[in-house]
Amino acid sequence: ETGVTQTPRHLVMGMTNKKSLKCEQHLGHNAMYWYKQSAKKPLELMFVYSLEERVENNSVPSRFSPECPNSSHLFLHLHTLQPEDSALYLCASSHYLSSGRAAEQFFGPGTRLTVL
Amino acid sequence: AQSVAQPEDQVNVAEGNPLTVKCTYSVSGNPYLFWYVQYPNRGLQFLLKYITGDNLVKGSYGFEAEFNKSQTSFHLKKPSALVSDSALYFCAVRPRGSTLGRLYFGRGTQLTVWP
Repeated sequence: ETGVTQTPRHLVMGMTNKKSLKCEQHLGHNAMYWYKQSAKKPLELMFVYSLEERVENNSVPSRFSPECPNSSHLFLHLHTLQPEDSALYLCASSHYLSSGRAAEQFFGPGTRLTVL
Repeated sequence: AQSVAQPEDQVNVAEGNPLTVKCTYSVSGNPYLFWYVQYPNRGLQFLLKYITGDNLVKGSYGFEAEFNKSQTSFHLKKPSALVSDSALYFCAVRPRGSTLGRLYFGRGTQLTVWP
């Protein structure tokens, strides 16, 4: 395993529900990421967190709300989703190296989300 | 705009034959380059990366990748394919100096190795 866990692994929700996805990393990293993976499309970066700052993709709808209480945990809160939000949501973590060196990202297994 | 192209959605090879999964990119400067693999119902696993130096990079599971600056390509290769190599492969690039290590991914190439 990669040292990044995600729960739940599968989630089915209605459009009026509120749910949260959880990610935890045990690698001592200080940057965490949420990606959306849809069929036949490149991975879409949704949010990035580090101790220093948060970077948000401007195209992410407000029905997705991230939370990073500490460097090991990352949440994605979901509310009033649409059927087109059905996808695999992947969490990743890495060292953030201010020198700009390329630290690879380690991915969790993902949460398969289905919105009815 | 930054972009990564994997021109083949699907690559099929027979076990024991060499395999190549292609990747080209359009990114300003000299980016860092990565390959990831995804098995069914799993997250992405890091295979290898190019930072600088030798154009041939060796990675996990016998994979290697060749960086070609003039062609802006970073093709993944393996001399002898295994059935267990069948998976979805993603090329990714990170512009040097990008905010928080942002990666740009290709659409992925499904590799199938026939016994």
